[in-house]
Amino acid sequence: DAMVIQNPRYQVTQFGKPVTLSCSQTLNHNVMYWYQQKSSQAPKLLFHYYDKDFNNEADTPDNFQSRRPNTSFCFLDIRSPGLGDAAMYLCATSSGAGGSREQYFGPGTRLTVT
Amino acid sequence: AQSVTQLDSQVPVFEEAPVELRCNYSSSVSVYLFWYVQYPNQGLQLLLKYLSGSTLVKGINGFEAEFNKSQTSFHLRKPSVHISDTAEYFCAVSESGATNKLIFGTGTLLAVQP
Repeated sequence: DAMVIQNPRYQVTQFGKPVTLSCSQTLNHNVMYWYQQKSSQAPKLLFHYYDKDFNNEADTPDNFQSRRPNTSFCFLDIRSPGLGDAAMYLCATSSGAGGSREQYFGPGTRLTVT
Repeated sequence: AQSVTQLDSQVPVFEEAPVELRCNYSSSVSVYLFWYVQYPNQGLQLLLKYLSGSTLVKGINGFEAEFNKSQTSFHLRKPSVHISDTAEYFCAVSESGATNKLIFGTGTLLAVQP
């Protein structure tokens, strides 16, 4: 089945220690998104790629970076995680631009910062 | 700027009873509307969407929603709920046009009791 895969499902990192979360997709979608979802809150868009074009949300901290080496893979890098970065990180994909496009979500990676 | 309001953070309901989860939005332009469901420790799954046309939209798992432009609402309904419907439900809006950005509400926990 075509899907969005996130690894690992659970990640523990230390305060200030860089961490990378990965997302892959078999849907061949050209748009990939990263959302941050803190406990009992709505998912919040951090950034997205339209093909190779990177689109950062204005309020996304500089501590968060992303890479998309090819269509299938996208990475979220947190350069110096703080306690406030503990959250579920959701990757999503969509086919093409436009607000009508359904987004397909992965199962998420739950990040704990100690 | 767009926003989504889900006034009920939690809705308890008995099994086989009907349920309505409320969603109101604000936007200065035409929008697309979505309902997503999130089961514990999982990603989001699309329940249904309104793009245009008939204001009554039917989705998966027996859910339906009605778009009311004058009241800027998109309430989700199910005539008879099951224990397995227990989950977090998110209403989301995106603008018509080229943007891919989804704005989510804060979610409603549907707690189905036997």
